[in-house]
Amino acid sequence: DAGVTQSPTHLIKTRGQQVTLRCSPKSGHDTVSWYQQALGQGPQFIFQYYEEEERQRGNFPDRFSGHQFPNYSSELNVNALLLGDSALYLCASSLVFITTEAFFGQGSTLTVV
Amino acid sequence: ELKVEQNPLFLSMQEGKNYTIYCNYSTTSDRLYWYRQDPGKSLESLFVLLSNGAVKQEGRLMASLDTKARLSTLHITAAVHDLSATYFCAVELDTGNQFYFGTGTSLTVIP
Repeated sequence: DAGVTQSPTHLIKTRGQQVTLRCSPKSGHDTVSWYQQALGQGPQFIFQYYEEEERQRGNFPDRFSGHQFPNYSSELNVNALLLGDSALYLCASSLVFITTEAFFGQGSTLTVV
Repeated sequence: ELKVEQNPLFLSMQEGKNYTIYCNYSTTSDRLYWYRQDPGKSLESLFVLLSNGAVKQEGRLMASLDTKARLSTLHITAAVHDLSATYFCAVELDTGNQFYFGTGTSLTVIP
């Protein structure tokens, strides 16, 4: 079992550009949540996807959008990048109808210059 | 807005000593998680506490939950260098696995 995998691991983008981050959930999991962790801070919930729909959303602007595919993998898209978007982006997978803890991926470190 | 506060934010302790990290949260929840994060790494699950009075222990770490006081503690016994990391508590609302994380406690164990 490969667990939760994310790509790319690191990337550098310029202000105003767009970025797409990818997440493959743990085998058997159907729910993917995305978190943003700024340096020195705790992770903040961005949104959660289940059955290819956004199920819950945190306090993030519309520049942050996502998608879930039929195989449960997910993408996080950020448009019009700002310097403040520089952070570690974590993906967590879980089962929506079973009480369980989430499993986190290794994260994607985004640097906006 | 749910707030999750940890203290201390930074903790430097000598090997062999005991200490407790506190996690306070501002709304009703009986689901509390503790995670460990090493520099540049992802989150490693330590404990899942799902009811009032829950206590779990693993090695030198013990976590407890008091839902009435909205307080969880992570107790470290006889600290060793390998425990140096940042520790986060996270509160889950409902059962949707949407976590609200604390500010984190950066622990350094000094030989």
